[in-house]
Amino acid sequence: KAGVTQTPRYLIKTRGQQVTLSCSPISGHRSVSWYQQTPGQGLQFLFEYFSETQRNKGNFPGRFSGRQFSNSRSEMNVSTLELGDSALYLCASSLVGPERGNTIYFGEGSWLTVV
Amino acid sequence: AQSVTQPDIHITVSEGASLELRCNYSYGATPYLFWYVQSPGQGLQLLLKYFSGDTLVQGIKGFEAEFKRSQSSFNLRKPSVHWSDAAEYFCAVGARIGGSQGNLIFGKGTKLSVKP
Repeated sequence: KAGVTQTPRYLIKTRGQQVTLSCSPISGHRSVSWYQQTPGQGLQFLFEYFSETQRNKGNFPGRFSGRQFSNSRSEMNVSTLELGDSALYLCASSLVGPERGNTIYFGEGSWLTVV
Repeated sequence: AQSVTQPDIHITVSEGASLELRCNYSYGATPYLFWYVQSPGQGLQLLLKYFSGDTLVQGIKGFEAEFKRSQSSFNLRKPSVHWSDAAEYFCAVGARIGGSQGNLIFGKGTKLSVKP
């Protein structure tokens, strides 16, 4: 079956703009998480959605937001982009979220460059 | 606070040689532990995971890891490295929310280079 799909794969934005990234989880998966990966900070958790509700949130400013739709697809939005937002944004899905034995599968990521 | 340390930023091994990547975690209870691999420009692929039971865990691509509670370690091993194993490897611990696995906390990664 298809894996976690993220679009777009690559994008370039200007400081001050906003960006929306999309994630389609593995079919049947209801939990979607987002992570930011940068050379300096490594992999950091942004937020997790389950059944259209944000269930867990990392330590990021309010410019970073997300949502999940009834079909489990998720989007994340970054407003007022800063140069430091340049990163690989990874989406991950899992069957039912934070439960024992649950495996989290990652997409290939969206590369965002802010200029 | 939960944390993961991967002491080696970069390791180079010869093809056919054995490999051990180190991972230490900080956690108050029995952790959920994972190893992921990332090839250049790609996402993360799960190699193996530990939740409970047997402390020696077998994964894909011939990898295994051993959970040692006394040393707070979860080292990844492979008896014979192939050139295709060159990638970056991440150890992660599952943060707990209400007693269940929540988000993942990652180490900084170890980049593996393989010499022919």
